[in-house]
Amino acid sequence: GAVVSQHPSWVICKSGTSVKIECRSLDFQATTMFWYRQFPKQSLMLMATSNEGSKATYEQGVEKDKFLINHASLTLSTLTVTSAHPEDSSFYICSARDRTSYYEQYFGPGTRLTVT
Amino acid sequence: TQLLEQSPQFLSIQEGENLTVYCNSSSVFSSLQWYRQEPGEGPVLLVTVVTGGEVKKLKRLTFQFGDARKDSSLHITAAQPGDTGLYLCAGEEAGTALIFGKGTTLSVSS
Repeated sequence: GAVVSQHPSWVICKSGTSVKIECRSLDFQATTMFWYRQFPKQSLMLMATSNEGSKATYEQGVEKDKFLINHASLTLSTLTVTSAHPEDSSFYICSARDRTSYYEQYFGPGTRLTVT
Repeated sequence: TQLLEQSPQFLSIQEGENLTVYCNSSSVFSSLQWYRQEPGEGPVLLVTVVTGGEVKKLKRLTFQFGDARKDSSLHITAAQPGDTGLYLCAGEEAGTALIFGKGTTLSVSS
């Protein structure tokens, strides 16, 4: 149980284009999903917290107009990287909290974004 | 801002050795979680500790939550090459996002 999927698993795009990453909780409902960014050999950095039906809360230094987050349902959150630049290249990971669990979060497999 | 200090950052040992990874903070967490991550994959939850002084065992892995709920440790007995990976501790205040330590990259050679 508690499976979180991400799509796509990897994507290459050109500078200036936009990329959408999907995060789905497959066997549970998630009122809250989180988006993280991870650079090589580094830990996860929280980008934003996404609550179903409301606007996302972004961490300091994360541009909300560049990283658009939509949490349209209890099983789906999307992250859209707009006008991507090479410095946006990174590993993006989402996690979801089971609405029945007080503490535990489950992570997706990540999406490798490369902007050329 | 809550911070988690994780140490050591890198650890390279021989098969059969024991090791301990530490996670410390000046803040109190309602829970603390340990994850293991393989390259190119998302973190996989190993354990969640909630109660101060709690000890949990997962085969050769022993996890401990400090009495004051500010620190935690992960001890691996008789490490094996399959234990190689990035180990992450993460603390949480109830209902909020996880705060991650910087991670410990473990390499176990045979």
